[in-house]
Amino acid sequence: DTAVSQTPKYLVTQMGNDKSIKCEQNLGHDTMYWYKQDSKKFLKIMFSYNNKELIINETVPNRFSPKSPDKAHLNLHINSLELGDSAVYFCASSQVARETQYFGPGTRLLVL
Amino acid sequence: AQSVTQPDIHITVSEGASLELRCNYSYGATPYLFWYVQSPGQGLQLLLKYFSGDTLVQGIKGFEAEFKRSQSSFNLRKPSVHWSDAAEYFCAVGAGSSASKIIFGSGTRLSIRP
Repeated sequence: DTAVSQTPKYLVTQMGNDKSIKCEQNLGHDTMYWYKQDSKKFLKIMFSYNNKELIINETVPNRFSPKSPDKAHLNLHINSLELGDSAVYFCASSQVARETQYFGPGTRLLVL
Repeated sequence: AQSVTQPDIHITVSEGASLELRCNYSYGATPYLFWYVQSPGQGLQLLLKYFSGDTLVQGIKGFEAEFKRSQSSFNLRKPSVHWSDAAEYFCAVGAGSSASKIIFGSGTRLSIRP
């Protein structure tokens, strides 16, 4: 069974479009995260939610809006996509903050 | 500010040889330290972590790491690498309250020579 799953796996879209990436974890964890990995493999945290509450919000354009309908899901909605948004986006979860984070397989976003 | 430095961008070792990947961190308090591995096209998998206690930490797949506070280092080692170890390796430090934020190094790509 997949612990942390993301959909879609690949996303190719035009500049200016709005898109969403979904994340689900079946580990019963309380904390979920979104990371962005750029073309140089640099991995940076974007958001973190604990029990549906936002606890980390890094310097991310407000075109990015996370939504957590319940503690097993953390979706990422991106408005007005730009070329620089092209990256791999990883979702992760952990039982509590500071414990081991389990990563999803990533969503490869390409903005044309 | 917290930071993690992995000075080696790319390392190539022969299969069966020993491996050491370097990691230096900058953090004011006792750090929470991690090593993750990313195989091509995959997500990240935790190899090992250090929170407290014994400074030599054993992980999965035969990896170990040693926390050296005096050198602000957390180097990853493996006595004999296998071709399947070829991957990207990330060192990370837990920052913020309860280490809720993980700051990653820039990664070291490991290639294995047959």
